[in-house]
Amino acid sequence: KAGVTQTPRYLIKTRGQQVTLSCSPISGHRSVSWYQQTPGQGLQFLFEYFSETQRNKGNFPGRFSGRQFSNSRSEMNVSTLELGDSALYLCASSPDRDSYNEQFFGPGTRLTVL
Amino acid sequence: AQTVTQSQPEMSVQEAETVTLSCTYDTSESDYYLFWYKQPPSRQMILVIRQEAYKQQNATENRFSVNFQKAAKSFSLKISDSQLGDAAMYFCAYRTPRWGAQKLVFGQGTRLTINP
Repeated sequence: KAGVTQTPRYLIKTRGQQVTLSCSPISGHRSVSWYQQTPGQGLQFLFEYFSETQRNKGNFPGRFSGRQFSNSRSEMNVSTLELGDSALYLCASSPDRDSYNEQFFGPGTRLTVL
Repeated sequence: AQTVTQSQPEMSVQEAETVTLSCTYDTSESDYYLFWYKQPPSRQMILVIRQEAYKQQNATENRFSVNFQKAAKSFSLKISDSQLGDAAMYFCAYRTPRWGAQKLVFGQGTRLTINP
């Protein structure tokens, strides 16, 4: 089975721009979660999607949004980019919403905001 | 809110020796799940081991085992017979009970170096 894929792997943007990151979960997985990883703040939960609905949201401003499609693929969008949005964005998938399930992580998208 | 603390930013160990990584957490819940994830330099996060809070028996996966002390809210990871491939960032993570919020709450991580 193919793992979680994220595109693009690297992205460079300038302040004020917007960006869309994509995540394709493992086939059959319906839950997709997003995390932001920075040296200062560590790994922080952004949001979780299941069956095309956002189930949980972390403590991030409204500039961060996401969606999930009927095939479980998910996108996250960041509008009006700030320097502090530079981070590794990780996507994770799991079969359902059972907390015991392992979350399988993708390789991440490295976003640099100049 | 739940918090996870890893007090050792860096650890190093000689190849073939044993090392223990510390993790403490804070929660008011009685049922939850704890995980150790490994993030090698390639950046793909991998699950190492997991523990269900209601199980008293410590989880074991080959060379990896945990010491789960629920009352002390402590969840340490022991790596036996350390190998060069074990070098990575290790994150301790907490997760709320089944069918609840899916988010993982991570500690700040411990960078583990294996000396040949």
